[in-house]
Amino acid sequence: EAGVAQSPRYKIIEKRQSVAFWCNPISGHATLYWYQQILGQGPKLLIQFQNNGVVDDSQLPKDRFSAERLKGVDSTLKIQPAKLEDSAVYLCASSSSSLHEQYFGPGTRLTVT
Amino acid sequence: QKEVEQNSGPLSVPEGAIASLNCTYSDRGSQSFFWYRQYSGKSPELIMFIYSNGDKEDGRFTAQLNKASQYVSLLIRDSQPSDSATYLCAVNMNSGYSTLTFGKGTMLLVSP
Repeated sequence: EAGVAQSPRYKIIEKRQSVAFWCNPISGHATLYWYQQILGQGPKLLIQFQNNGVVDDSQLPKDRFSAERLKGVDSTLKIQPAKLEDSAVYLCASSSSSLHEQYFGPGTRLTVT
Repeated sequence: QKEVEQNSGPLSVPEGAIASLNCTYSDRGSQSFFWYRQYSGKSPELIMFIYSNGDKEDGRFTAQLNKASQYVSLLIRDSQPSDSATYLCAVNMNSGYSTLTFGKGTMLLVSP
């Protein structure tokens, strides 16, 4: 069974630029999560999708971050405009609707200069 | 503010010893508990989950849950240098969905 796929793996941008990350969850997993992990911290949930719908986006900085999950499969997370403090690893995870175990993709390391 | 607390470490143990990693959580209604291992520069990897009070064993790993004390722990027996990593505790806090709150993680160092 293929795991969670993410791209790109690394991205370096200047502040005020925009960036987008892509995630493909484990086949059949209805729930998809985007996390931000800053060095030395645990992952912080940004947004959770159940199929196409948003379940929790309470910690998403909506003035600059947006996410979508079209057709209930792939998802993209966008930052526009980026700030220095957005430098982090962005992790995508998925879980089946009947279980709570989440499985993570390899992550995208974002550096904002 | 719902929180998950872990000692950041590092916790240093010699090879072959038992490593004990601890986690406390603030929400008494929390339903399920997870331990993830994260190697430096890698993403978290699920190693154990536990839903009921008591112990759950899987190979060298044992998860222990005490809901009354709001405490969950992970024991690693016969620790190996390859176990050196950061261990993240994650808690599903009384949600109808599978939302997890993570602690900051405890770094474990196993010396040969």
